[in-house]
Amino acid sequence: KQEVTQIPAALSVPEGENLVLNCSFTDSAIYNLQWFRQDPGKGLTSLLLIQSSQREQTSGRLNASLDKSSGRSTLYIAASQPGDSATYLCAVSRNYGQNFVFGPGTRLSVLP
Amino acid sequence: DTAVSQTPKYLVTQMGNDKSIKCEQNLGHDTMYWYKQDSKKFLKIMFSYNNKELIINETVPNRFSPKSPDKAHLNLHINSLELGDSAVYFCASSPSGGARGPELFFGEGSRLTVL
Repeated sequence: KQEVTQIPAALSVPEGENLVLNCSFTDSAIYNLQWFRQDPGKGLTSLLLIQSSQREQTSGRLNASLDKSSGRSTLYIAASQPGDSATYLCAVSRNYGQNFVFGPGTRLSVLP
Repeated sequence: DTAVSQTPKYLVTQMGNDKSIKCEQNLGHDTMYWYKQDSKKFLKIMFSYNNKELIINETVPNRFSPKSPDKAHLNLHINSLELGDSAVYFCASSPSGGARGPELFFGEGSRLTVL
């Protein structure tokens, strides 16, 4: 059974810092890994999708990497801003139509 | 145009009542999901439908009954509501093919409060 963990559970940093969020999964037989952002009281916004054949994806100040064999992904946020404050979740999928298993999330606070 | 839309956004009701949440997606996806996010913010799958057929049914009480009239709609009906049903329910959809593989798109969520 796939299990997904995220470290740290919470993180507070001053504005401008570069930071790394971690996601680990127990079953490396994944198809995709997806990073989401959730603002308080809101839905989930997709940030990046990494296919199992890829090593990394970039969007603006965000860079996500995937090491499928070791069951790890990292989300790198460059030059953090207060607007980045949110909960970040990762999810893995084994195949089309299958369950996406979510991690518990990392709650990020970026202080002005 | 909202890609995945859910109604209602907020629902406050008494214990024992029956309520429904509706979901529609205009992305042309074949697969739709219901997820539950509890008070600890953990997201857990409840149901998944592919082209109107149930493919995932986690250990959810049978008071919860999903219904997919067509592949663009997935509704959730809950009978005899209990206090523990209070949560945010998210609808999502995913393509069943394509170069990018499975990818989730979420609705805004429906916050259910049972009094």
